[in-house]
This record gives sequence, C-alpha cells and structure tokens, in this order.
Amino acid sequence: QSVLTQPPSVSGAPGQRVTISCTGYSSNIGAGYDVHWYQQFPGTAPKLLIYSNTFRPSGVPDRFSGSKSGTSASLAITGLQPEDEADYYCQSYDRNLRGSRVVFGGGTKLTVL
Amino acid sequence: QVQLVQSGAEVKKPGTSVKVSCKASGYTFTDYYIHWVRRAPGQGLEWMGWINPNTGDTNYVWSFQGRVTITRDTSTTTAYMEVSRLTSDDTALYYCARGTRNWGSGAYFDYWGQGTLVTVSS
Repeated sequence: QSVLTQPPSVSGAPGQRVTISCTGYSSNIGAGYDVHWYQQFPGTAPKLLIYSNTFRPSGVPDRFSGSKSGTSASLAITGLQPEDEADYYCQSYDRNLRGSRVVFGGGTKLTVL
Repeated sequence: QVQLVQSGAEVKKPGTSVKVSCKASGYTFTDYYIHWVRRAPGQGLEWMGWINPNTGDTNYVWSFQGRVTITRDTSTTTAYMEVSRLTSDDTALYYCARGTRNWGSGAYFDYWGQGTLVTVSS
C-alpha cells in the first residue's frame, strides 16, 4: 500500500490534456515537502520528469508541468502524444514519529487512445 | 555522462541473502547520496534507504531495519545493497538511484541504474 494516492489509470486522445493527481497527508505533501514526478516505460528505469513541484530537468518537453496545493499535487500533460503512454509516479518526503523516509505514489498508467 | 550500472539478475532461495552492486561514473561519487528503490511485480515503487558515499552514513526505511545493508567502496565508485533472510515477497526489480547532495525534504533522484531482477524461489 503506497503512502501517496494516485489514480491507477488515466487516458486521453492525442492532442488532449490530461492530469494525474497525487494525494498525501500532513506528514508529507501537507507539511510543505516537495513533490517530484517520474515517467517509466516498460522494461526501463524511471526517469525524472518534474522536480521540486514545478521544475523540468533539461530535455523534458514543456508539455509536462507540475503543481502543488495543500496535501495534493498534480502532473499535467498537454498536447498528448502516443509516446507519452507510460507509468507515472509521484514522490515526496515523509516525516513522522518513526523517522523520515522517501514515499511514492502507487503509479498511474497513462493510455493514449 | 552520469551512469549507474548495476549487476545482473539473481535467483535466490528463501532464507538466503543477495547483494546487488551499482557502479557510478561520470560524476564525483562522493558528492551525491545513493538510494535504493525496488518495484515488486504488480506493485509501485518502494524506497529502501540511502548511503552517503562521502561518510558511509546510512539510513533505512523502518520496514527493512535489520535486513538491508547498504555499503560503498569509494576506490571503485560502487555502492552495494544486501538483503538478508529473503522471502518470496522480496522478488522485485531493485534500482539504485542518484539522490541529491544532501538528505532531507528536497530529496529526489535524477539518475537511475538499469535495475536488477532478484527472484526468490525455492
């Protein structure tokens, strides 16, 4: 069971806009900790897509954007393309009485119709 | 260019241990934390812990305490992750990933190894 909650799947047609939500708790996103997003294709390692809520690493198209508010964050993809079909994970930092740790969402499978 | 290259797939029996290596190149090994993350079949990503390659300090998620050991060899710029007392639940793809220069609330992973499949089966 993942600490952060993501929808298992989302879909959209080429050219459309889709969003993927990531909901946490007061011990992680709600505490103000940054959210980061990864893209993973089958058989490959995850790739950093968005870091520190809104920043894109070099080489990531500006069709990908991130936002955060309260205990949730979102990844938006505009101008959907077939090659965007992949799994997407959110990640944050969590701190409670047991200590600190990195936490992930369960992942969202994006299907391009 | 930054690269993390992991050791090959392993098949282990329950109750035994496995040690996976992660060789780093293309950057100063001691400048960035190395983390280990796994993905079990049909599951999401699960963070296991980190090592500070400069000091050798480690931190593990509490659910793995006592079963996971992360080490490093600065002479070969290689990090290692060992899991003991394996069960079938440990069957997963194990990844090493480069973290940030410090440990804290801003930690994220900008480069990943290719993954090592560990299968635990009797």
